[in-house]
Amino acid sequence: TQLLEQSPQFLSIQEGENLTVYCNSSSVFSSLQWYRQEPGEGPVLLVTVVTGGEVKKLKRLTFQFGDARKDSSLHITAAQPGDTGLYLCAGAVAAGNKLTFGGGTRVLVKP
Amino acid sequence: NAGVTQTPKFQVLKTGQSMTLQCAQDMNHNSMYWYRQDPGMGLRLIYYSASEGTTDKGEVPNGYNVSRLNKREFSLRLESAAPSQTSVYFCASSQTKNTEAFFGQGTRLTVV
Repeated sequence: TQLLEQSPQFLSIQEGENLTVYCNSSSVFSSLQWYRQEPGEGPVLLVTVVTGGEVKKLKRLTFQFGDARKDSSLHITAAQPGDTGLYLCAGAVAAGNKLTFGGGTRVLVKP
Repeated sequence: NAGVTQTPKFQVLKTGQSMTLQCAQDMNHNSMYWYRQDPGMGLRLIYYSASEGTTDKGEVPNGYNVSRLNKREFSLRLESAAPSQTSVYFCASSQTKNTEAFFGQGTRLTVV
């Protein structure tokens, strides 16, 4: 069982539709990060959320950190083909030193 | 800016052979990590080093060893490669566990 569970594992939508990706855990995190990974490349950071209940926006992407700091979501409004990729959440539990990743959500936005 | 540099980019090993993956960062980061990524999957933590002189096991450490040679370098060694270790390996570094992790380009390893 992974520390961070992402859902869904795969999402295929049409251009212009909205989508939400979830990242859940039973542990409390001191921070949670979202990354996007393109084929053949390493992940690249999109955002870090630190405070419970925090909402951050990055153009059409909205990130939310749960009040209890155990879960997070990524919402994309009016998805575009350029949003296609593997989205990964990652976090460090309050008492630990390591950065752990979720299993990833593969998003395909069709034109 | 070099960032995180991993070598080699590709490697084919025979079962039982050994090899070391090299990783160096030039950002003066404290934390360094080794992950593996299997097709269509997320990243699984093999080993990490929270600071120079310390190393700890991650989720999937069996079959691997690491060395934090100095603050810049963190190497991953496979003593006796197995087909189950066929994967893409990523090295990463960050200032702390809560700050952005920067990744190398990855090493695509095939064990036959």
